[in-house]
Order: sequence, then C-alpha cells, then structure tokens
Amino acid sequence: GQQLNQSPQSMFIQEGEDVSMNCTSSSIFNTWLWYKQDPGEGPVLLIALYKAGELTSNGRLTAQFGITRKDSFLNISASIPSDVGIYFCAGGSGNTPLVFGKGTRLSVIA
Amino acid sequence: KAGVTQTPRYLIKTRGQQVTLSCSPISGHRSVSWYQQTPGQGLQFLFEYFSETQRNKGNFPGRFSGRQFSNSRSEMNVSTLELGDSALYLCASRNLVGNTEAFFGQGTRLTVV
Repeated sequence: GQQLNQSPQSMFIQEGEDVSMNCTSSSIFNTWLWYKQDPGEGPVLLIALYKAGELTSNGRLTAQFGITRKDSFLNISASIPSDVGIYFCAGGSGNTPLVFGKGTRLSVIA
Repeated sequence: KAGVTQTPRYLIKTRGQQVTLSCSPISGHRSVSWYQQTPGQGLQFLFEYFSETQRNKGNFPGRFSGRQFSNSRSEMNVSTLELGDSALYLCASRNLVGNTEAFFGQGTRLTVV
C-alpha cells in the first residue's frame, strides 16, 4: 500500500539537543498528523494539522503543514529522555484511510 | 472519557489456528480501523468499518476479515494463521469517516508459533 517517505529512519541525539524530522508524499493531503509510539504501546496523537502552511505547537513540539500539502515536519526542542520512541507521520484526505510513514526511531543519550 | 480498548493484549497461537481480536472504540466514534504493525513494514492498513459496513480495505488476503457491531465495537479474525502473521495489531477509532484524527488502542501482540 501507499506510504509516506519519512526521514530520518533513526536518530541518536544528546539530551538537550533539538530534533527535526519530516515526511514527504507524492500525493496531496488535507490533514497531517504526528504520532509517538512507546515500546509495546499504541501510537499516541501529538499534533494534528489541517491547513497548508499551518504551524502548530504542543509544548516542546512544533509541526508544520507544508505549503504544497505534500510534506510536513516535526521539531522537538530541548530533548529529554522521555522523548525516546518512534515518531510517525500520517496523511489523510476525506474518507480515505490514513497513510503512515515508516517512522523515525529517536534515541536520547543522557 | 475512556480511550480505545483492545483485547486481549497478548496472544500466542499455533500455525493453522484462527484468532479473533476485539476493539471497543471511544464512545461516540463510529469508525474503526485495523492496522498490522511489523518491524520491517510499519503500519499496514487492514480495513475500516463505519456503521457496521466495511468502508475501505487494504491489500491483505481473505484470511483477514472483520466486522463491526451496532455499538461500534469491532472484531477482526485471522484464519489459518501463518508465522508471518505475528505482529502488533492496532485498532484506531475516529469520530466520523472524514474526520481524520485517529486514536489508537494499545494493540494486541499476536505471536504465531
């Protein structure tokens, strides 16, 4: 099935550093969603974006809906150990199923 | 407001058996989607149900089936289990099809031996 191109696949960063990850698609989406998944758990919704160009923050997290509607990025500022996990982007349009990226695995070194 | 509830959390089955997984969506949500998650393939869409009708279907063999009840609870069934069916099965609920925010349950970890 269709998937988004999410990068990087994995990241190892020092505690306190900022993190940036992104998703691109060949298709246009009306919604971009970012999720975080902890080991053995289901993904948890972090941020939802509904308008091209929209920039939304949730605490130390900031995400943007690309102007072309084909991409989105997620930034995490001042990372902490509990940021460890897998981050997924998802694109949605109308009644079609969400399309997910393969995830970015984040490891934080204290 | 209770979240999405999936049961059981863990399951071990042998090849050739069949299995049924259950998902109770967030109260008021009528759309339930199922995903298979494996390390190499990420989240793969299985199917989506809305008001007891299958609205969308992914590229999985007919051994994978599902249904939704009038209270929006959903079940998925996998028959003739294969080793490759070992995965985390996730259920997600949405308020309405078209409202794209999806909320996931904790998943059912299925191991086929």
